[in-house]
Amino acid sequence: GQNIDQPTEMTATEGAIVQINCTYQTSGFNGLFWYQQHAGEAPTFLSYNVLDGLEEKGRFSSFLSRSKGYSYLLLKELQMKDSASYLCAVLDSNYQLIWGAGTKLIIKP
Amino acid sequence: IAGITQAPTSQILAAGRRMTLRCTQDMRHNAMYWYRQDLGLGLRLIHYSNTAGTTGKGEVPDGYSVSRANTDDFPLTLASAVPSQTSVYFCASSDSSTGELFFGEGSRLTVL
Repeated sequence: GQNIDQPTEMTATEGAIVQINCTYQTSGFNGLFWYQQHAGEAPTFLSYNVLDGLEEKGRFSSFLSRSKGYSYLLLKELQMKDSASYLCAVLDSNYQLIWGAGTKLIIKP
Repeated sequence: IAGITQAPTSQILAAGRRMTLRCTQDMRHNAMYWYRQDLGLGLRLIHYSNTAGTTGKGEVPDGYSVSRANTDDFPLTLASAVPSQTSVYFCASSDSSTGELFFGEGSRLTVL
């Protein structure tokens, strides 16, 4: 079966750095997405990786290793507004998105 | 520019009733999706449509039906609601060039 694993919850301190990991086992791979979802709101797009390596976008970076079935989302200079759930999703060989359950990130002052 | 509009935003429904969740997009995206999101389970695909006139079943299609008469509209119907269909429902469309999903604000449905 297809599977996406992420930690259920993480806690970090304002101003610090946090890394949210995602491992996947899917039938084929056509890219990996990270979405942010604030409580009670819709998910919004953060990043897309299809090749190995690091993609940086402001305070957020996303890394992919296809051989290891592994990605991480790195958040720097954490702000209180970064408190949200972070969803990892993989586009499989049929171009269907397989979603992880999400990681709830709690930022403390 | 609205993006994706869902209605209603919230609804309480008696079991056995019929309910249609509406979804309209103005981005001219070909592909549209209906997901349900339940605590601890993440997003699960109910039905999808790759283009107007076609639909397909997702991971959890039972008890739901969809139609895609045109590019903009993709309604989801619960023929006879059951309490296990209590959930938050998200409609989404995707940009074919990037694969990025754009979500509506969600419809919170409670079936009693």
